[in-house]
Amino acid sequence: AQTVTQSQPEMSVQEAETVTLSCTYDTSESDYYLFWYKQPPSRQMILVIRQEAYKQQNATENRFSVNFQKAAKSFSLKISDSQLGDAAMYFCAYRNSGNTPLVFGKGTRLSVIA
Amino acid sequence: EPEVTQTPSHQVTQMGQEVILRCVPISNHLYFYWYRQILGQKVEFLVSFYNNEISEKSEIFDDQFSVERPDGSNFTLKIRSTKLEDSAMYFCASSEWGQYGYTFGSGTRLTVV
Repeated sequence: AQTVTQSQPEMSVQEAETVTLSCTYDTSESDYYLFWYKQPPSRQMILVIRQEAYKQQNATENRFSVNFQKAAKSFSLKISDSQLGDAAMYFCAYRNSGNTPLVFGKGTRLSVIA
Repeated sequence: EPEVTQTPSHQVTQMGQEVILRCVPISNHLYFYWYRQILGQKVEFLVSFYNNEISEKSEIFDDQFSVERPDGSNFTLKIRSTKLEDSAMYFCASSEWGQYGYTFGSGTRLTVV
């Protein structure tokens, strides 16, 4: 079974600075998808960014970018120019190809310091 | 932008009672899911539903749970004889055919007392 590991339960960053959240995963599949979800205090799950495993190019969405290292099975999230609204729980998630369930990591709680 | 709608946002129930959590997926989506998040813990898969039947379920999804799509728009999760440990946030999600991304609803916070 696939597993997702987030080794940082909590992180903090100064406003306007850059922070990187770590995620590793374990799979024997070659075709899969990876995601970062943000969960603010409202507890809604908001998709931040996604990456297809077959793509070598790292995904970017405005201030959010990933460092996808397929051989190392690593998928880190970089948040640039951190804002107070970025404070939330961040979950890394994995999914096989096809409409299979998402597997989530335990999350990293990010605090942004003004 | 289309949304997945969940009702109620918060439900309190007595232990042993039955609850029904409701979801309205995005209209052109074909795959539906329920996930659970116990407070402070990770999000766990419960069940996926496609073509009016369960396509996959986790170990958590035992006989206490059932899902139904009673009409063309609603997707429900029923929990029979609730237990204290069923207290959690329950998320509904949906996706299109062949699309690898989900859209999550805003969740129902279930409190069993």
